[in-house]
Amino acid sequence: DQQVKQNSPSLSVQEGRISILNCDYTNSMFDYFLWYKKYPAEGPTFLISISSIKDKNEDGRFTVFLNKSAKHLSLHIVPSQPGDSAVYFCAASALLGSGGSNYKLTFGKGTLLTVNP
Amino acid sequence: DTAVSQTPKYLVTQMGNDKSIKCEQNLGHDTMYWYKQDSKKFLKIMFSYNNKELIINETVPNRFSPKSPDKAHLNLHINSLELGDSAVYFCASSHPGQGHPGDTQYFGPGTRLTVL
Repeated sequence: DQQVKQNSPSLSVQEGRISILNCDYTNSMFDYFLWYKKYPAEGPTFLISISSIKDKNEDGRFTVFLNKSAKHLSLHIVPSQPGDSAVYFCAASALLGSGGSNYKLTFGKGTLLTVNP
Repeated sequence: DTAVSQTPKYLVTQMGNDKSIKCEQNLGHDTMYWYKQDSKKFLKIMFSYNNKELIINETVPNRFSPKSPDKAHLNLHINSLELGDSAVYFCASSHPGQGHPGDTQYFGPGTRLTVL
């Protein structure tokens, strides 16, 4: 049962255009969402995150939007650059139990972004 | 100055052998994790330790045993390796609750395990 879904396994865009990567989730207990970028033969690198109390977070060329009612988030990259070509993972965080500070991250399957020069 | 490091990067071994993967973080984090990325590319949590205490154990076969000698290290020992153990294993660390709910985890480069 996939609680975090990235339905597009791949996306191809032209350099300079906008890349939009989408992610859906099913568990309403998720309260923090993250995007990771992964190059081949490397570990995932944290990119940007958003708390469930916000609907937008921006960091340079990267913006994450959260629509809680639709249980949907998206990552916008603008302008896209060839160096952005990588696999992007969406992840969602939920607190383990009550009153503690231990969390569990659940990952989507990833979307391979290719930015063409 | 690598934040989360793993050794070895590649590990090729025969079925039935016992092997270990080491992980170290120099971020001062309290919590460390092991993930498995299988052929279907899902990143799945296996274990997490908080300050040397086991927090998450996700129905992993008991052939897998994490060992945390201190909060900067979390090693993964695998007994009686099977073909299905072939995967990439990632270590990660975090310091939960840093001014926001949720948890930002930082990953090591991965260890590609191939069982023949």
